[in-house]
Amino acid sequence: GAGVSQSPRYKVAKRGQDVALRCDPISGHVSLFWYQQALGQGPEFLTYFQNEAQLDKSGLPSDRFFAERPEGSVSTLKIQRTQQEDSAVYLCASSLGEWSPLHFGNGTRLTVT
Amino acid sequence: EDKVVQSPLSLVVHEGDTVTLNCSYEVTNFRSLLWYKQEKKAPTFLFMLTSSGIEKKSGRLSSILDKKELFSILNITATQTGDSAVYLCAVEGNYQLIWGAGTKLIIKP
Repeated sequence: GAGVSQSPRYKVAKRGQDVALRCDPISGHVSLFWYQQALGQGPEFLTYFQNEAQLDKSGLPSDRFFAERPEGSVSTLKIQRTQQEDSAVYLCASSLGEWSPLHFGNGTRLTVT
Repeated sequence: EDKVVQSPLSLVVHEGDTVTLNCSYEVTNFRSLLWYKQEKKAPTFLFMLTSSGIEKKSGRLSSILDKKELFSILNITATQTGDSAVYLCAVEGNYQLIWGAGTKLIIKP
């Protein structure tokens, strides 16, 4: 497809379960970002990849959050032992380079019960 | 298919000029329209619009929504070089955010 694709679109997890969120960036996009967003707020930065290298993970809220992009294209955000406060929309965005416009996916809405 | 279209894609003006950025949408079950300013890593939230005809204002920035014609505008008056950024429009519908491609605004001194 032409845009950034995220799956699943919705995920309901029981507290304590592990979840994995997938992001397929636009082909050829070097930069990939993960964000966590509460409604009506700006996305909160989680982590940033340039190709397969994770250059910044300063926004990950705890060591339960882990992201990877092993081949420099598809990325997975994993959350272990989910907590209720993890409930949010998780957005992925990609761009050609650091100062290029971000292209956002439609997000994965995670609800932890 | 839901979509959000922003125009122009890019804009170059001189400091002090006034600019108007456009966002039109076709989104099922519209809930809100949001404007963001993208700098570096993360977009900064500007406005959230839910009702037609009510202008939201913050300093030199203002925005208004027309739910009948399905568009919103973002105005920036007396532009400054610090306003240079990509401005993103997003529309919430069916519990998902649909993003526009952004308008890249460059303010020349």
